[in-house]
Amino acid sequence: RKEVEQDPGPFNVPEGATVAFNCTYSNSASQSFFWYRQDCRKEPKLLMSVYSSGNEDGRFTAQLNRASQYISLLIRDSKLSDSATYLCVVIKPPGGYQKVTFGTGTKLQVIP
Amino acid sequence: EAQVTQNPRYLITVTGKKLTVTCSQNMNHEYMSWYRQDPGLGLRQIYYSMNVEVTDKGDVPEGYKVSRKEKRNFPLILESPSPNQTSLYFCASRTGSNYGYTFGSGTRLTVV
Repeated sequence: RKEVEQDPGPFNVPEGATVAFNCTYSNSASQSFFWYRQDCRKEPKLLMSVYSSGNEDGRFTAQLNRASQYISLLIRDSKLSDSATYLCVVIKPPGGYQKVTFGTGTKLQVIP
Repeated sequence: EAQVTQNPRYLITVTGKKLTVTCSQNMNHEYMSWYRQDPGLGLRQIYYSMNVEVTDKGDVPEGYKVSRKEKRNFPLILESPSPNQTSLYFCASRTGSNYGYTFGSGTRLTVV
């Protein structure tokens, strides 16, 4: 089983739609979680951290479910500019170097 | 401006000709890392560094070397590049175990 798994998509959604992505992780002791956004041929950029209690940043909501070992990203009122690949990131527990593992990404295409 | 700078952005080289990709960060981050990104495989870690003179192998270190003589710089060295090292390379840095990475703009390397 992969350490971090994401549905590659693509998710094709109309403007204004709500879309959600999930990301599962295998190590139950994983410590920190993030969502990144990557535009085609560009560097990944940090979108938001994921906190245990869930957190929101404008149209974006991130949640963590430790019992089922997944994190989610919800995008409300999708914009054309949201079209990108979304990467989930998991940091393993302490003890020396905390390894950072990236999912392979979920591609989102918002259609006019 | 806080950033990670890597050079060159594009490089075409021939098999066996040694090359170095430079990476520099101005945020005084302890952790630095090199990733390669290939279609369908996502971001894979090549080498990482926890601080000056502290480096270790990631998931795909074969054919690569790194050094960390100063905190801000973390060059990636390909002693004898081969065509299977054709890829998009990213350097990244972060400040601590619970923080996400900041990425450089990427280096697109083609080995012919």
